[in-house]
This record gives sequence, C-alpha cells and structure tokens, in this order.
Amino acid sequence: EPEVTQTPSHQVTQMGQEVILRCVPISNHLYFYWYRQILGQKVEFLVSFYNNEISEKSEIFDDQFSVERPDGSNFTLKIRSTKLEDSAMYFCASSEGGQRTDTQYFGPGTRLTVL
Amino acid sequence: AQSVTQLGSHVSVSEGALVLLRCNYSSSVPPYLFWYVQYPNQGLQLLLKYTSAATLVKGINGFEAEFKKSETSFHLTKPSAHMSDAAEYFCACPLGDTGRRALTFGSGTRLQVQP
Repeated sequence: EPEVTQTPSHQVTQMGQEVILRCVPISNHLYFYWYRQILGQKVEFLVSFYNNEISEKSEIFDDQFSVERPDGSNFTLKIRSTKLEDSAMYFCASSEGGQRTDTQYFGPGTRLTVL
Repeated sequence: AQSVTQLGSHVSVSEGALVLLRCNYSSSVPPYLFWYVQYPNQGLQLLLKYTSAATLVKGINGFEAEFKKSETSFHLTKPSAHMSDAAEYFCACPLGDTGRRALTFGSGTRLQVQP
C-alpha cells in the first residue's frame, strides 16, 4: 500500500540553525500538507500546498517557515532560524484531491528537537 | 470556525469490553468528521470518516462511529477491545465552514487495553 514517508525520523539542532524536513507524498496525490504536534498538545495545521504554491496557511506558518516541492517527488518544510518552541513532531500528509472529504494520509513524522 | 472536542484524555478498558471514545463537534453547518488512530512511533491512520451520507459509518479494525446531529456527536465505538487497539485516537474536522481543507484535531484520547 502506498504511504507517505518522511526523513529524518529525528532531527536535533541548535537554536538559530536552519533545518529542512523532507517528505515524499503518495505519488498520484496533488495536495500536500504539514502539521505539527508539540509534546502534550494538539496536532496543529501549518500549511497546505497545491500546484506549486501555498493554498492555505495558519498563523503559526510565519516568515521563518517555507515549503517547496523541489522535484517531482519531494516536499520539504524549511525552518530558517529554529527556536526552542519549534521543538515538535512534524507530520507531512497528502491527499489525492482537494475536496474537504478527501482523506489525508499522514507520514510517520519527524521529531525535531531544538537545543 | 468548526472544531471538535474529545472528552477523556485517557480511557482504559479490559480486553473484550466495549470501547467508547467521545467526540463532539461545533459547527454551524453539517460537518465532515474524521477519526484517526496513532500507534506508537507511527503516523496518523484514518479509521473512518463521515461525509454526510450514512450516519453510521464503519471503519477499519472493527470500529464504527455514529453521527448524531441532535447531540452534535460523533463517538467512536468497537464492540470488543483487542490488545492491539491500544493507541491514541484523534477526532478531526476541516477548519472553517467552506473551502478549507486543513484539518483541526481534538486533543486525543489514549486508549489502554488491559488483559
């Protein structure tokens, strides 16, 4: 069964450093998403991406964050200058279409630890 | 904006007992609703979804949920718990009333199954 994959599974970085989290969505999916879950808190939406541009973003997704689809398979989330509060599990998801009823398939997550 | 609330952060049942995980929604229009499960060290997996068709929705692994408009609820049930059902369960719905695909999640319910 096709699945969303994410690398690395765990990333440790120093505050102020740039990190890139990578995701490979399911191959025929057109919509891509990033969510995050701070330890002990809810899963929160960050951004969605379609047709090589951001289609929605939350208040969390400020200028420190960016997303890119650098090639036909990868989808990346970049945090330019990490803060302690960016420590969280980051989930990538993809969906085949853009209907509100379309299932979003989630990857296993990248645990980001900012020291 | 639409939202979901999960009552009970932890639920413990005995193997073979009924599982009932509660989710209430807040919406000015009939919502779309999802239940996801997260096993340890894995991503979120869709259990089932309500898309305004049948009010009783059957999902994977023997789970089902019933949409009750009068109670604004979408509780998840399974007649007989299995040890492998131990996981965290999240109720979710699309953010906003129209157009938005981003999901908002409940705070999650951790299910323990005792032998």
